[in-house]
Formats: sequence, C-alpha cells, structure tokens
Amino acid sequence: DGGITQSPKYLFRKEGQNVTLSCEQNLNHDAMYWYRQDPGQGLRLIYYSQIVNDFQKGDIAEGYSVSREKKESFPLTVTSAQKNPTAFYLCASSIHLAPEQFFGPGTRLTVL
Amino acid sequence: QKEVEQDPGPLSVPEGAIVSLNCTYSNSAFQYFMWYRQYSRKGPELLMYTYSSGNKEDGRFTAQVDKSSKYISLFIRDSQPSDSATYLCAMSYTGNQFYFGTGTSLTVIP
Repeated sequence: DGGITQSPKYLFRKEGQNVTLSCEQNLNHDAMYWYRQDPGQGLRLIYYSQIVNDFQKGDIAEGYSVSREKKESFPLTVTSAQKNPTAFYLCASSIHLAPEQFFGPGTRLTVL
Repeated sequence: QKEVEQDPGPLSVPEGAIVSLNCTYSNSAFQYFMWYRQYSRKGPELLMYTYSSGNKEDGRFTAQVDKSSKYISLFIRDSQPSDSATYLCAMSYTGNQFYFGTGTSLTVIP
C-alpha cells in the first residue's frame, strides 16, 4: 500500500533532550513537509523540502532541524532549544508544486 | 491579521442537515484552495481542492471559491454521523507552501 508512515505514534521526552521523529513515504513524491498542530492554532509549517538534499524553513523552524538524504525519508529533530515542543506533529508529501498534500498519521510528542 | 481565518465552532447539526463551513483569507494571490477532514488523533485527509474561482462538486460535498470576496465554503449535503470531524481549509499561491485555517469541529447527531 502506498502512503506515509510516521513513527512513533506517541513519544515522551524529558526536558533538555533531543528527539527525532520519523517520516517515510512510498508515493514517489518529491516534496515533503513537517507541520506542528496545536489546539486553536491549526497547522503551522516547520520545514519543507522540494528535492533531496535541499530544504527550507517554514514559519516556526526555530528549535527544529531536518535532513533529506533520501527521497522517501524526511526526519525531524526536535532539539532542546525548542521552548514548547509538546504538540502533534504531522508529516506530509506532495508531487512537486501540486496542491494536494497527503498526510501521515502523526506523532504526538509530550515533554515531561 | 492571519492569512486564513476559520470559525472554530463547534458546530452541531442533526443527521441529514446541510452543513456550511467557511473560511476567509487576506492574500489575494492565493490560487489553490483545499478542504481537509481530520478525525480525532489522525492526520488530515484531502477532501477536495479547487483552482481559482468557481464551484466543484463530489458526491455530497461542494466546494465554492469567491475570490472577489476572499471567501471559500464547503457544503455537506445529507450529513451523516460519520462526517463528524474537524474540517480544515488550506490555501496556496505557489503550490509549495500552504496556509491552513484553525479548523471547524463538526458533530452530526443521529
């Protein structure tokens, strides 16, 4: 089945720790995205990548880092510099410059 | 001012009702308009998208775009309990960066 997978589904982290969220897609999409969803704020773009080895900051990139070494993978690292990391994180992909985005099931990160 | 404004609701309707969901926006350069449905604790799924102005229909769902008023709508006919979800509007002018509304929570009561 084609689609986007995110792991883990739930993640708990102690303050001061870095943590990496996984996102993999087998849709052969060029573009991949990371969003953060908080209650009452909708989806906010963290980073996006149009091609391998290239990515751009979104609106709230501070405290996050990404890599795009393979077309199918776009991991997100939440660093200790992110002041309020508890949120629902969504990964998405699309054909280059196509308006339809396909989302993964999300990872809920809780900082203890 | 936010790029995209959406009434968060919650909206509660009886089964079979017609539902109207709306978003307004400020950037006249937006060309792509999308509606997503998101069930609790799941990722959003694309329902419909339209390019520029006009209407688009898919089964019980109709999307409308009025660029002169900077206003988009999603209508759901004969609403079902399975339509209970949060509905997100999204917009783009480049096709590679998307702006989302905050979502409207809908409950359809049997």
